[in-house]
This record gives sequence, structure tokens and C-alpha cells, in this order.
Amino acid sequence: ILNVEQSPQSLHVQEGDSTNFTCSFPSSNFYALHWYRWETAKSPEALFVMTLNGDEKKKGRISATLNTKEGYSYLYIKGSQPEDSATYLCAPKHGSSNTGKLIFGQGTTLQVKP
Amino acid sequence: SAVISQKPSRDICQRGTSLTIQCQVDSQVTMMFWYRQQPGQSLTLIATANQGSEATYESGFVIDKFPISRPNLTFSTLTVSNMSPEDSSIYLCSVGTEPYEQYFGPGTRLTVT
Repeated sequence: ILNVEQSPQSLHVQEGDSTNFTCSFPSSNFYALHWYRWETAKSPEALFVMTLNGDEKKKGRISATLNTKEGYSYLYIKGSQPEDSATYLCAPKHGSSNTGKLIFGQGTTLQVKP
Repeated sequence: SAVISQKPSRDICQRGTSLTIQCQVDSQVTMMFWYRQQPGQSLTLIATANQGSEATYESGFVIDKFPISRPNLTFSTLTVSNMSPEDSSIYLCSVGTEPYEQYFGPGTRLTVT
């Protein structure tokens, strides 16, 4: 059973603070890593799909990095806003193709106070 | 991307009854999955819904409890049978598109009393 760990489990920050979360996963047989943002009563929203060691991706104030050799990814949020409040999920996929399954971490729940 | 809808969005059911959840996608997709999130837990894969053949279930999930249909490339149903309070969860439909993406529906929030 693959073990995916996310830390911290929850985070409370003030508006304007920058923050980051960690996702660690088994490095062997890696295919891709997905980051999602999940707000209550909505679909999990795909943020990034990362495949290459050293990948860095950016979407507005949110960015992510990937280290496939050591099996971790960081998600950064610059200048947090109340609308960033959500649970952030990472999910690696292992195997040789996109037919492998996503294994989810428990998520990091972010609360941004105005 | 793919737009996914699910019905119902939420339900409260009595123990011992069954509920069928529908998932509709706006385009044909090969890969379709059903996930569950129990309170305080990760999203867990229940099964892969295969078009034209029986679903592939993950360890701990069985067809008698979670029968799945996939009559075509845009639609699937998941039934939660003989429900107990432990089945109270969010159930999500998900589709995979090449080469790497995977999208989720809005979920069905089920409470079993």
C-alpha cells in the first residue's frame, strides 16, 4: 500500500501571509503528481499535474515544485487571501501510464483570516 | 477538461436501503472512477468503471455492496447497497483524460441514519 503524507494537517494564517505545504510519496515507479484544491460543497479543482523531477508550476499566486528522486512536492501560496481557504490534496500516480490510480493524502486544510 | 455532473447532490437514507448515484460527463472518456471520502479520511478509490465489462474493485470493496454500471463512455452509476451509518460519506465520480489529467464531479453527500 502506497503511503502519501501531507503536512501540516491544518493551517491558520492571516490574509497577506505566504504559506507552504508538503506532500511526500514513494519515489519508485513514479508517473505523475496531482495537486487539487477542494472547497466545501464543490468539486475538487485540479491545480497542477507534475511529471518531471525539478518541475515548477505556477498559477497566479500558487506555485508547486516536484522532487521525484526523494519523493516530495511543495505547494506555495503567496499573499494568502480568504478565498484560498480550502483543503489542498496531493495525489501521486505510479506505474507506466495514465491508467494507474491516484492515491490521495489526507490533505492540508487552510484557513485564511481576513 | 471534462465537465462532470452527479445526482443526487446529497441524500439522507435509512439503514438497510440502497441509493444509486449517477455520473454524467460532457464528453466520451475511457477512464471513469468512483471514490469515497469518509469523515476525517482521505479520498479512497472504490473501483474503476469499465465500459462494457464488470468494474474493477479495490481491496476492501465488493460488487455486492457497490454495484457499478457503465453502459457507455459518458455515464456511470454507483449503488450503495444495504446501507449502514458507516456508509455516510461523500461519493465522487472522476474521469481521466490523456495524458495525465483527472477531473472530479461535485460529489454526493450521503448520510445514513
